[in-house]
Amino acid sequence: EIVMTQSPVTVSVSPGERVTLSCRASQSVSRSLAWYQQKLGQAPRLLIYGATTRAAGTPARFSGSGSGTEFTLTISSLQSEDFAVYYCQHYSNGPPYTFGQGTTLEIK
Amino acid sequence: QVTLKESGPVLVKPTETLTLTCTVSGFSLSNARMGVSWIRQPPGKALEWLAHIFSNDEKSYSTSLKSRLTISKDTSKSQVVLTMTNMDPVDTATYYCARIGVYANAFDIWGQGTMVTVSS
Repeated sequence: EIVMTQSPVTVSVSPGERVTLSCRASQSVSRSLAWYQQKLGQAPRLLIYGATTRAAGTPARFSGSGSGTEFTLTISSLQSEDFAVYYCQHYSNGPPYTFGQGTTLEIK
Repeated sequence: QVTLKESGPVLVKPTETLTLTCTVSGFSLSNARMGVSWIRQPPGKALEWLAHIFSNDEKSYSTSLKSRLTISKDTSKSQVVLTMTNMDPVDTATYYCARIGVYANAFDIWGQGTMVTVSS
């Protein structure tokens, strides 16, 4: 089973700043990688799939990069509504579809 | 509009069997591109994928929970059902169903989740 590891666990950033979140797979998942945003008390929401493609409704300030085992999610200029928990998830070669442990993005 | 909605008991006792239902609308469970997973999240913890059912009725389960899980679907009722046997307090979590649809195999639509507490 592929293990997804996210870093950092928590990051504190000021509104307007840029932040990069990381996700590492224990073996190559090619570009079969998704990013989700989860706000408190809500279900996760798909942001990025295919490692780099924004889902419908995802603002352009969100960008994904990477392939193989190393991936990043960058938010170019943080807005107040972006403070949340972010999860990566692989879907390479079908299930099991494992998630990372999440990164909490806090207001500094 | 595509929606998924989970339903089931709020409280179950240890050793009991949990049965959850995901009722979908706006798409058909027989659509070749569609599938539905169950995912859970203990309070304050990360997401954990549990099981998936494909449009052709093929099923897949979490390695660690496989012996306790059964997923099935009733296409005519637009429902996906998950059963989990021998419930334990560590199974206390919010349980989500989510669709794999139009974005490769990413979960594009999620239900609101249903909180299940395991306690005597």
